[in-house]
Amino acid sequence: GDSVTQMEGPVTLSEEAFLTINCTYTATGYPSLFWYVQYPGEGLQLLLKATKADDKGSNKGFEATYRKETTSFHLEKGSVQVSDSAVYFCAHWNGGSNYKLTFGKGTLLTVNP
Amino acid sequence: DARVTQTPRHKVTEMGQEVTMRCQPILGHNTVFWYRQTMMQGLELLAYFRNRAPLDDSGMPKDRFSAEMPDATLATLKIQPSEPRDSAVYFCASGLPRTGRSSGNTIYFGEGSWLTVV
Repeated sequence: GDSVTQMEGPVTLSEEAFLTINCTYTATGYPSLFWYVQYPGEGLQLLLKATKADDKGSNKGFEATYRKETTSFHLEKGSVQVSDSAVYFCAHWNGGSNYKLTFGKGTLLTVNP
Repeated sequence: DARVTQTPRHKVTEMGQEVTMRCQPILGHNTVFWYRQTMMQGLELLAYFRNRAPLDDSGMPKDRFSAEMPDATLATLKIQPSEPRDSAVYFCASGLPRTGRSSGNTIYFGEGSWLTVV
């Protein structure tokens, strides 16, 4: 069945370090891929998305590229800030199949000054 | 800005009481999801609807939980009777899927209903 696997945290980085959070998925058809971010005590916010192969989603310095050949959607940021500390969720939505939105387990990122 | 609206934002209730959480999806969105988030289990899909019809509610404890969409602008999640283990954040999300090679659209989340059952 459909699934999303993302690297388990927690991830702890120093400010200005490079960030990668890996995400791979299994799905039928052509799912859309998302990264959501949840700041402490808040709800889920869409960070970025990609709807087809080779699309790159980007927002707030974060990027992820939809790689159909490796079924991956890794999140990257060149220089993290303390304010990036949050939980990051990878997800896919197979709107052409069963319409189910499937999440990874989330990765806690802590950025230290 | 279009947004998913959830009420109540916070609720503290006593064990055994009925709790109803409401969600107004973004106008025009025909797919609605209910998720529960706890520290132990993370994000759990409880149920989701398309065009108001339930597609999957297998994640929901059937004996005490029920989810409905009385109309296209309202989704409800009810717990009766509530128990302390139901304490969690309940999120509603909505979207409008497109089929084909660029399938899917953006799913937007509400800010959650933070439930505490004492």
